Amino acid sequence: KQEVTQIPAALSVPEGENLVLNCSFTDSAIYNLQWFRQDPGKGLTSLLLIQSSQREQTSGRLNASLDKSSGRSTLYIAASQPGDSATYLCAVPHGSGNTGKLIFGQGTTLQVKP
Amino acid sequence: GAGVSQSPSNKVTEKGKDVELRCDPISGHTALYWYRQSLGQGLEFLIYFQGNSAPDKSGLPSDRFSAERTGGSVSTLTIQRTQQEDSAVYLCASSRTGGENTIYFGEGSWLTVV
Repeated sequence: KQEVTQIPAALSVPEGENLVLNCSFTDSAIYNLQWFRQDPGKGLTSLLLIQSSQREQTSGRLNASLDKSSGRSTLYIAASQPGDSATYLCAVPHGSGNTGKLIFGQGTTLQVKP
Repeated sequence: GAGVSQSPSNKVTEKGKDVELRCDPISGHTALYWYRQSLGQGLEFLIYFQGNSAPDKSGLPSDRFSAERTGGSVSTLTIQRTQQEDSAVYLCASSRTGGENTIYFGEGSWLTVV
């Protein structure tokens, strides 16, 4: 059974710091991995989608890496800003195929202090 | 539309009553998903529609829950005889096809059963 774990559960950093959020999964036979952001009281916003054949994806100050063999993904946020404060979730499809049935981690709640 | 639209945004209902939650996916998206997010819990998959295929209902927690998608577009999630443990945010999402495409979430319907 696939399990997705995110560590730490919460993180507080001063503005400007570079930071790494971690996501691990127990079954390496994944089709892809997505990172989402959730602001309080809001839905989820997709940040990056990494296909199983890819090692990383970049969008602005965000860089996500994927190491299937070790069952890990990291989300790197450069030069953090207070506006980055949110909960970050990673998710993988259930099973090894292409499905919208996603298994989510519990999330990392990030606070960036001005 | 510009994004996934859900209604109502908030619903308070008495225990034992039925509720219907509506989702309008992004135009042209063939895949539609329902998830539930409870306080202190992670995101829980409920049901997945993909085009004309039979929906994946494996995440529905009980037979009190049902969902339909009419005309390949709008979806309705129905909860019969609501219980207090049904209180949660119900999130709808859509994507162009299956999980290989970015998944877009709505803002959610906040359900409180009193």
